[in-house]
Amino acid sequence: TQLLEQSPQFLSIQEGENLTVYCNSSSVFSSLQWYRQEPGEGPVLLVTVVTGGEVKKLKRLTFQFGDARKDSSLHITAAQPGDTGLYLCAGTASKLTFGTGTRLQVTL
Amino acid sequence: DAGVTQSPTHLIKTRGQQVTLRCSPKSGHDTVSWYQQALGQGPQFIFQYYEEEERQRGNFPDRFSGHQFPNYSSELNVNALLLGDSALYLCASTRGRFDTGELFFGEGSRLTVL
Repeated sequence: TQLLEQSPQFLSIQEGENLTVYCNSSSVFSSLQWYRQEPGEGPVLLVTVVTGGEVKKLKRLTFQFGDARKDSSLHITAAQPGDTGLYLCAGTASKLTFGTGTRLQVTL
Repeated sequence: DAGVTQSPTHLIKTRGQQVTLRCSPKSGHDTVSWYQQALGQGPQFIFQYYEEEERQRGNFPDRFSGHQFPNYSSELNVNALLLGDSALYLCASTRGRFDTGELFFGEGSRLTVL
C-alpha cells in the first residue's frame, strides 16, 4: 500500500506569513500532484510535478518534487485569506493516491 | 462545457440500507474514478471504471460496487450501510486509462448514515 503522509495536519497563520507543507512517502511515484479543496467542493488541481528535483512556481506558491520522487513540498509566500483550504498531495502510479491532507487557515 | 456532476448532493440513510450515487463525467472524458473522503482527511480510492469495466480497485469491501454506462456515466452502490460509511463520496473523471493526467472532481455526494 502506498502511503503519503502530510505535515503539518493543521496550520493556522496570519495574513502575510510564509508556510511550507510537506508530503512524504516511502514509495516512488511517477509524478506527484497538489490539489486544493474548499468546503463543499471537490479537489482542484494546482500543479503536477514529474521530474525528480523539479521546481514549479504558481504565483505565490512554489512546489518541489524530491530528487528520489518520494516526497514533495509546497511553499506559500505571503499567505492570504483566500489561500485557506485543504491542501492535498497525490502520487500517481497506476492510480492516484492522496495524502492525509493539510488544513490551512489564514486569518487577517 | 459541463464539468463533473454528481447526484444527490446530500442524503441520509440508516444502517443496513442501500444507496446509489450517480456521476456524469466531464464532456470528452471516458474514465471515472470514485473516492471516499472522511471529514478532514484525504480522499481514499474506491475504484475506477473505463470502457464499462472496473479496472482498478482500492481496499474497500464487496459492499461497494459500481457500474459504468455506455455514455460513460457511472454509479456507485453501497449495500448494508454502516455508520462508518458516512463520508463525502467524490467522483472524478479523465480521458483514457488514468496515468498522469489531471482528474476533474465533482462536488461530491455527502452521505450520512444514522
